[in-house]
Amino acid sequence: AQTVTQSQPEMSVQEAETVTLSCTYDTSESDYYLFWYKQPPSRQMILVIRQEAYKQQNATENRFSVNFQKAAKSFSLKISDSQLGDAAMYFCAFLQGAQKLVFGQGTRLTINP
Amino acid sequence: GAVVSQHPSRVICKSGTSVKIECRSLDFQATTMFWYRQFPKQSLMLMATSNEGSKATYEQGVEKDKFLINHASLTLSTLTVTSAHPEDSSFYICSASPHSGGTTDTQYFGPGTRLTVL
Repeated sequence: AQTVTQSQPEMSVQEAETVTLSCTYDTSESDYYLFWYKQPPSRQMILVIRQEAYKQQNATENRFSVNFQKAAKSFSLKISDSQLGDAAMYFCAFLQGAQKLVFGQGTRLTINP
Repeated sequence: GAVVSQHPSRVICKSGTSVKIECRSLDFQATTMFWYRQFPKQSLMLMATSNEGSKATYEQGVEKDKFLINHASLTLSTLTVTSAHPEDSSFYICSASPHSGGTTDTQYFGPGTRLTVL
């Protein structure tokens, strides 16, 4: 079974600085999707970024980018120019085929003003 | 685009009563919707997968007679917690995947429903 591991329960960063959240996963498949979701205090899950495993190019969405290392099964999220509104729980997630979305344990990100 | 709504956002009920939670995809059609439960400071736990026009698929350990799921149209799925008890108090979140287009693999989440059973 696929597993997703986020080894950092909590992270903090100074406003305007850059922070990287780690995520590793385990699968024997070659075709799959990876996601980062953000859950602010409102608890609304918001899609941050999506990566297709067959694409070598790292996905980017404005200040958010990923470092996708397929061989290492690593999918880290980099947040540049951190803003107070970035404070949230961040969940890494894996999807293969029609199977269910598998979430990591989450990383709580605090932004220090 | 890809907006999912849930209603109600909060509900308080007495033990033994039933509660219905609605999940709607507002600007897309969703063949598949998902229901999750989230305990405080934990990740999301998938309860069941809801397919339009067919029976839901429940995860191991989830009582299908207690958590009734109906997916009557491509934009609406409902979760009914029957004979609710205090241990059913939790945060319930639905998600939906577009049935066409370039992001059929992506789940879009509703804002969640906080259920409190007294």
